[in-house]
Amino acid sequence: DVVMTQSPLSLPVILGQPASISCRSSQSLVYSDGTTHLSWFHQRPGQSPRRLIYKVSKRDSGVPDRFSGSGSGTDFTLKISRVEAEDVGVYYCMQNTHWPHTFGQGTKLEIK
Amino acid sequence: EVQLVESGGSLVHPGGSLRLSCEASGFTFSNYWMSWVRQAPGKGLEWVAHISQSGRDKFYVESVKGRFTISRDNARNSLYLQMNSLRVEDTAVYHCAGWGDGDAPWGQGTLVTVSS
Repeated sequence: DVVMTQSPLSLPVILGQPASISCRSSQSLVYSDGTTHLSWFHQRPGQSPRRLIYKVSKRDSGVPDRFSGSGSGTDFTLKISRVEAEDVGVYYCMQNTHWPHTFGQGTKLEIK
Repeated sequence: EVQLVESGGSLVHPGGSLRLSCEASGFTFSNYWMSWVRQAPGKGLEWVAHISQSGRDKFYVESVKGRFTISRDNARNSLYLQMNSLRVEDTAVYHCAGWGDGDAPWGQGTLVTVSS
């Protein structure tokens, strides 16, 4: 199975400051058609996960543009340009290039 | 409003069976690949099973192969997970999720507890 490794696992951030989460996969996530299936999810306490980003850098409907995704091959990054209070929770990267689809272990973002 | 509502979770003994259901509304269910994803208490996310729009293609994580069966009824906008030979380690909140470009609805989940 493809192992997804996130860092850091805990991310204290001051309101209004940027934040960045890294995700590395144990093998390339480039699919046979050239697309890369790497997504980012946000889970607030007590809620179900919400997808923010798919195919590395595409924002889902309704996702604020302060969220951006980048990367290629095996190295990916989620960036929040200015953290807001509603951004607290756990962030997961996920690959759906290879079966079984796998998630990272999660990065807990908290307000410092 | 896009909505996925799961049901069917409960307390069951090891070796028992359960059938989970997920009812979709507010989007064209038949256009979406659908999945079951679980989250053990206090833990991360684990993909369990995945089914194509028509229901022809199905994929399972190794730990549930031969025990779980994913299915769908597009006429009823519903997704199912038949779980047999349940184990203690299957204890989790089970979410149904849809996969589209620009949209990936998730349900709130239904709790399955396997315990003697």
